[in-house]
Formats: sequence, structure tokens, C-alpha cells
Amino acid sequence: EAGVTQFPSHSVIEKGQTVTLRCDPISGHDNLYWYRRVMGKEIKFLLHFVKESKQDESGMPNNRFLAERTGGTYSTLKVQPAELEDSGVYFCASSQMRARTGELFFGEGSRLTVL
Amino acid sequence: TQLLEQSPQFLSIQEGENLTVYCNSSSVFSSLQWYRQEPGEGPVLLVTVVTGGEVKKLKRLTFQFGDARKDSSLHITAAQPGDTGLYLCAGGGRDDKIIFGKGTRLHILP
Repeated sequence: EAGVTQFPSHSVIEKGQTVTLRCDPISGHDNLYWYRRVMGKEIKFLLHFVKESKQDESGMPNNRFLAERTGGTYSTLKVQPAELEDSGVYFCASSQMRARTGELFFGEGSRLTVL
Repeated sequence: TQLLEQSPQFLSIQEGENLTVYCNSSSVFSSLQWYRQEPGEGPVLLVTVVTGGEVKKLKRLTFQFGDARKDSSLHITAAQPGDTGLYLCAGGGRDDKIIFGKGTRLHILP
């Protein structure tokens, strides 16, 4: 069974440019989460999808971030325009059950570097 | 704001020694999870504890959830070089946001 896959693994862009990160969850997992780790900080929650619906997007930093999950399968996270402080590793995770009781399966992360 | 403080941040010990990593908070969590993360990979779940005072064992790893469900510990017996990695504790609250600690980077010297 394929795990959570994320693309790209590393992206280097200039301030002001746009980047789109993609996450393919484990097949059948309705719950999809985006997290971010900025250097020196803890992994922080960004948002949670249940199928195609946004269950909780309280962790999204600002309106430069847009997440979608059309059809309830893969998800994209777009940053437009990117700022220096957006640099970090963006993790996607999926689960069958809700996160607080079930197991979160993480992807390898997409490292974003904004110059 | 719920926070999880992990200690120590870094730990380097000799193979065969025992160690304990702590995860503390002033908040109550409905569950506490421990993850291990290798370089270039995402965190991988080791264990979930949900009951105050609960103890779970995974080979040489022993996980304990505090009675008040505010803290947890990870004890490794006879550490081996293969135990090297980043250990993260994560707490689940009433909502579905898992709160992560900053992690403990463990290095076991052969």
C-alpha cells in the first residue's frame, strides 16, 4: 500500500513568486492534514480536511495560503505571493480516524525555501 | 494556548545506557502520541496513550502518560545506535489539532 506522497520534495523560489505543494493521501483516508515546521520551531497545524470539506483551517497563517482538496482525494497548498517567513518544511498527513485517537500517517514533507 | 515542552532538547549517550525523555504541559490532553522522525522523512507514530497513568511498552521503549494527562515520558532501556533520531511528543485536545513539542534529538554512540 502506498504511503502519503508529497511533491515537490524541495522547492526554491524567490520572494513574491507562487508555489503549489501537492499531497496524495493514503487511499481511503478521509482525513487530510497540513502541518508546517519552521526552523527551530515545533511542527504546527495548518488545516484539516474531511473528504473535500475544510474542517478546521484555524492554523493557516494568512490569506496568502490557499488549500484545496477537490473530489476528496489529493490536496494542494498554494502560497501566493511567497514571503521569506514561509520557508520551512510542509508536511501532509492522512488518517482514517480523527487525529487525536487515530494514527496520522505523514508524508516525507516538502521543503520550501523562499529567497 | 496549549504547549508541549520536551526535555532534553538534545541527548547524546553511549550504547547500552538508559535514558528518559520528558514531555510536559500545563494543559490536559485527551491523548498523547510519540513519534519518531528520521532525516528527510515524516514523523512515524510509535504509540498513543489515552488514559491517565497508562503505561505502554514497545520492546525496549516504555511510554507513560501522567495521571493528570498533562505529561508523558519515554524511557529507553539499553539504548542502541538504531535508536538515534528525533523523538516528538504530540497531544490531542478536544478538537482535531494535534499539538507537537519541538522534539528531542537523540544520538546513541556505538
